[in-house]
Amino acid sequence: SYVLTQPPSVSVAPGTTARLTCGGNKIAIKSVHWYQQMPGQAPVLVIYYDSDRPSGIPERFSGSNSGNTATLTISRVEAGDEADYYCQVWDGDTDHWVFGGGTKLTVL
Amino acid sequence: EVQLVESGGGLVKPGGSLRLSCAASGFTFSTYSINWVRQAPGKGLEWVISSTTNYIYEAESLKGRFTISRDNAKNLVFLQMNSLRAEDTAVYYCARENGPNWNYGFDLWGLGTLVTVSS
Repeated sequence: SYVLTQPPSVSVAPGTTARLTCGGNKIAIKSVHWYQQMPGQAPVLVIYYDSDRPSGIPERFSGSNSGNTATLTISRVEAGDEADYYCQVWDGDTDHWVFGGGTKLTVL
Repeated sequence: EVQLVESGGGLVKPGGSLRLSCAASGFTFSTYSINWVRQAPGKGLEWVISSTTNYIYEAESLKGRFTISRDNAKNLVFLQMNSLRAEDTAVYYCARENGPNWNYGFDLWGLGTLVTVSS
């Protein structure tokens, strides 16, 4: 089965750039989606199709996907960005949706 | 208002059954794929099962214990869970897939309903 690997935690200072990675075998050929989940709340889609932003998501959130790594980049990080972030792809070989294990973003 | 609302969660004994409901409003329900995603306490997201317009996909780990059905006339999706185990304890979310070909992600989520499997 397809596996997505995310670092458990990333810490950045306010105003800097956070780069959250999602590793998977030849992930570049898949569409990657990213979710933000605040404590006690439902996930929110922040990036879909590698780099598209749903309406209402700030431009500070961007995505890229190349080789074996997809990246969610959050520019000018704010305290309110502190959350868990999950990547997701569709595995056509098994007809399964796959989530990464999630990265907890801490704003120092 | 465009929303999904789950219901039906609760405490159930191991080996028991439970049926969750997801009520949709504010959009043309029949044209969207609806998914169930669960999250065990303190853990990450786990996809459970999907109902597209033509197909049903389910996580292999469920081993056929869960089934999904939908009533497009009433804008409802159901998750029937049988032979429940302690490891099925989780918040269960329903989520809408915002387009075809798995390229659009899950753009609308309910608030979730908690299922606790314990004796």
